[in-house]
Amino acid sequence: GQQLNQSPQSMFIQEGEDVSMNCTSSSIFNTWLWYKQDPGEGPVLLIALYKAGELTSNGRLTAQFGITRKDSFLNISASIPSDVGIYFCAGLFGNEKLTFGTGTRLTIIP
Amino acid sequence: DAMVIQNPRYQVTQFGKPVTLSCSQTLNHNVMYWYQQKSSQAPKLLFHYYDKDFNNEADTPDNFQSRRPNTSFCFLDIRSPGLGDAAMYLCATSRDNEQYFGPGTRLTVT
Repeated sequence: GQQLNQSPQSMFIQEGEDVSMNCTSSSIFNTWLWYKQDPGEGPVLLIALYKAGELTSNGRLTAQFGITRKDSFLNISASIPSDVGIYFCAGLFGNEKLTFGTGTRLTIIP
Repeated sequence: DAMVIQNPRYQVTQFGKPVTLSCSQTLNHNVMYWYQQKSSQAPKLLFHYYDKDFNNEADTPDNFQSRRPNTSFCFLDIRSPGLGDAAMYLCATSRDNEQYFGPGTRLTVT
């Protein structure tokens, strides 16, 4: 099925660094969702975005709904060890099924 | 408090032996989904229920069936599991545009 282009595919950072990742699509969405998945667990919803240009925060996480409705960004500030995992973006248009990004694997180097 | 519950968390079955995975929710959401997720990939939608209306994805194998006896429960039946069906199976629910996932069932086929 269709997938969103998510980058980077993986990131290796040191604790305390900020993290940025993004998703781009050739088609527009009216909802963007960001999930985090730990090994052996289901994805956990971090942030939901509903309006073009919207900027929403959840603690150290900030996500933005791109103005063109074809992209979204997630930033994590001052990373900590529990931020390790795979982050997925997902886009939704109307009643269609969620389209997932390919995932960004975040690793924190001690 | 768990909102989407999946049992069992780990399931081992033999090649060709039918297996049933279960999902329950305390959110009273009208839509329930079953996804298959293989290692390092995004979740792939198998089917979903809008209330009692069943919607099968075109590429979901006939080997996979589902039942939703009431709002709270949904089952995934794999009639004759093959080695390629080994995966994480995720249940999710939604009311509006936000999907909430369960912790998943890891299926091993021997």
